[in-house]
Amino acid sequence: GENVEQHPSTLSVQEGDSAVIKCTYSDSASNYFPWYKQELGKRPQLIIDIRSNVGEKKDQRIAVTLNKTAKHFSLHITETQPEDSAVYFCAASTQDTGTASKLTFGTGTRLQVTL
Amino acid sequence: DTGVSQDPRHKITKRGQNVTFRCDPISEHNRLYWYRQTLGQGPEFLTYFQNEAQLEKSRLLSDRFSAERPKGSFSTLEIQRTEQGDSAMYLCASSPDPVTRINGYTFGSGTRLTVV
Repeated sequence: GENVEQHPSTLSVQEGDSAVIKCTYSDSASNYFPWYKQELGKRPQLIIDIRSNVGEKKDQRIAVTLNKTAKHFSLHITETQPEDSAVYFCAASTQDTGTASKLTFGTGTRLQVTL
Repeated sequence: DTGVSQDPRHKITKRGQNVTFRCDPISEHNRLYWYRQTLGQGPEFLTYFQNEAQLEKSRLLSDRFSAERPKGSFSTLEIQRTEQGDSAMYLCASSPDPVTRINGYTFGSGTRLTVV
């Protein structure tokens, strides 16, 4: 089955700096890669996703890149703000007929943005 | 509220007791998923339904666990003879029809189970 590794496990940046979180996956059939943000005691919330026919996707301060050959994908957050502090999870899935089936998650990165 | 609803939010039970959780997905979503999340870990897949059909079950889902979605709407997850190792957050998620839309999952707020 799929195995997703995520690092770093913790990341501390100063407000305004950039943050990068990296994930690798094992199953070459995986073709859908979402990122979730989870604040303490709350539900995971989808912040951005990318499919394997795209190499990069950007949404305001958030971007995701995908390297299918190397089987890794990364989340980039620019101009970080204190409200970006949370745990971020990457995930991988084999998408079928237009929607994602089960997700395999990474172990999470706790991002702390300091003033 | 048009999101995914889970009930109860918290459940404390004694070891050996049975518990049942409920999930109400977004109404137009025909896929429903159950995940388990322990502290400091990412969610782990348990099972999923397309309408009322249970299409896949993880090896994590021992014979003490059973999930149903009888009418293709809400779902229940039952744990029999609970053990302390069952203590976790149980998350439900739903996703839209694969024919009409492409989108990600929407998670519920979860049910936190504590087995004492």
